[in-house]
Amino acid sequence: SAVISQKPSRDICQRGTSLTIQCQVDSQVTMMFWYRQQPGQSLTLIATANQGSEATYESGFVIDKFPISRPNLTFSTLTVSNMSPEDSSIYLCSAARQGTPYEQYFGPGTRLTVT
Amino acid sequence: AQRVTQPEKLLSVFKGAPVELKCNYSYSGSPELFWYVQYSRQRLQLLLRHISRESIKGFTADLNKGETSFHLKKPFAQEEDSAMYYCALGPQSMEYGNKLVFGAGTILRVKS
Repeated sequence: SAVISQKPSRDICQRGTSLTIQCQVDSQVTMMFWYRQQPGQSLTLIATANQGSEATYESGFVIDKFPISRPNLTFSTLTVSNMSPEDSSIYLCSAARQGTPYEQYFGPGTRLTVT
Repeated sequence: AQRVTQPEKLLSVFKGAPVELKCNYSYSGSPELFWYVQYSRQRLQLLLRHISRESIKGFTADLNKGETSFHLKKPFAQEEDSAMYYCALGPQSMEYGNKLVFGAGTILRVKS
């Protein structure tokens, strides 16, 4: 298994500002993912964080709004830029090993409130 | 496009009663199906996967390709089964990459 930590666990931010969320895995993994879970809704994949190259974004999510970094196999960041109240959500990081991309380990999530 | 449907937002049963959490999927290819669970104040975790045909915590799920379903079942519910359950689909296609598609989730409440 893999243990994933996220920082911060929660934050309250003003509109127009940016927040960077950190995700740390305790062992080397091949794949890392970022999800959004809006209130009362399911998980939606934002992007796949690729080591050493640009993240792969899903439809409806763009790099300017959600820049992602992955400098090594165990760490990734997601920035929520120029925030609006619609960005209030739980942001989840997950990781998976080579060959089992759908068997994902999830972080505890970051609860973001934008005022 | 891939889609996962969990028709029940909330399922409430008594302890000892059978449980069936419904999941239907839409996908033209041959997917991998999973159940993930989130207990209160815990993180989301994998419960079981269809390819391993395993029973975890008394839960089983059978992939029915004819009905495009992957219902989660347990013969006798326990209070500690109370949680949010998500059905998820992994398309086995390079076209979709490694995108895991989640259903809306079903809250299972087991009453004593």
